[in-house]
Amino acid sequence: QVQLQESGPGLVKPSQTLSLTCTVSGGSISSGDYYWSWIRQPPGKGLEWIGYIYYSGSTYYNPSLKSRVTISVDTSKNQFSLKLSSVTAADTAVYYCARGGHDYGVLDYWGQGTLVTVSS
Amino acid sequence: DIQMTQSPSSLSASVGDRVTITCQASQDISNYLNWYQQKPGKAPKLLIYDASNLETGVPSRFSGSGSGTDFTFTISSLQPEDIATYYCQQYDNLPPFFGQGTKLEIK
Repeated sequence: QVQLQESGPGLVKPSQTLSLTCTVSGGSISSGDYYWSWIRQPPGKGLEWIGYIYYSGSTYYNPSLKSRVTISVDTSKNQFSLKLSSVTAADTAVYYCARGGHDYGVLDYWGQGTLVTVSS
Repeated sequence: DIQMTQSPSSLSASVGDRVTITCQASQDISNYLNWYQQKPGKAPKLLIYDASNLETGVPSRFSGSGSGTDFTFTISSLQPEDIATYYCQQYDNLPPFFGQGTKLEIK
């Protein structure tokens, strides 16, 4: 059974960089069968796709966040990571990592999510 | 960007009712449309992929239909555990977009 687990600070100061890691178990990122995504959800609001990465390192970023986002992968640790720079209160959200099949678009396994609050 | 318009935004129904949610895409997305269920405090769960395919392990009372721009999600007989928010999501074009969600409550 595939499992994903997000980890990282729950509180980030404005203008700093948010950093999260997703650890995958029960399956290998290097298998090449899936894409690995980050999605976020502000409190009480809907879902926003941040971007995804393939095991080879190729990435896609949502244009709305592209200038501030970096997603990377560490296949040796079976992890992928998110960095979001210059954060503001608008970046306060639950951040989810997820596995995408069917060429990235079908998110069949999700992490439990982690709340990141941007506040001084 | 392809925008997804879900309706209604909220819905109240009784146990045993047939429930229908619609999702309209701003342009043709073929069948690249998924449906997710999100319970409070939990991650979304994939229910239907490619418009009409039931994800493994999902009860058969859930179904989806449609293609092009108009899609429908149906619960044939509402159960108490179906209380959740439901989202459609397209992946025909980047960036993938979610609908705004439909909050389903028990009457």
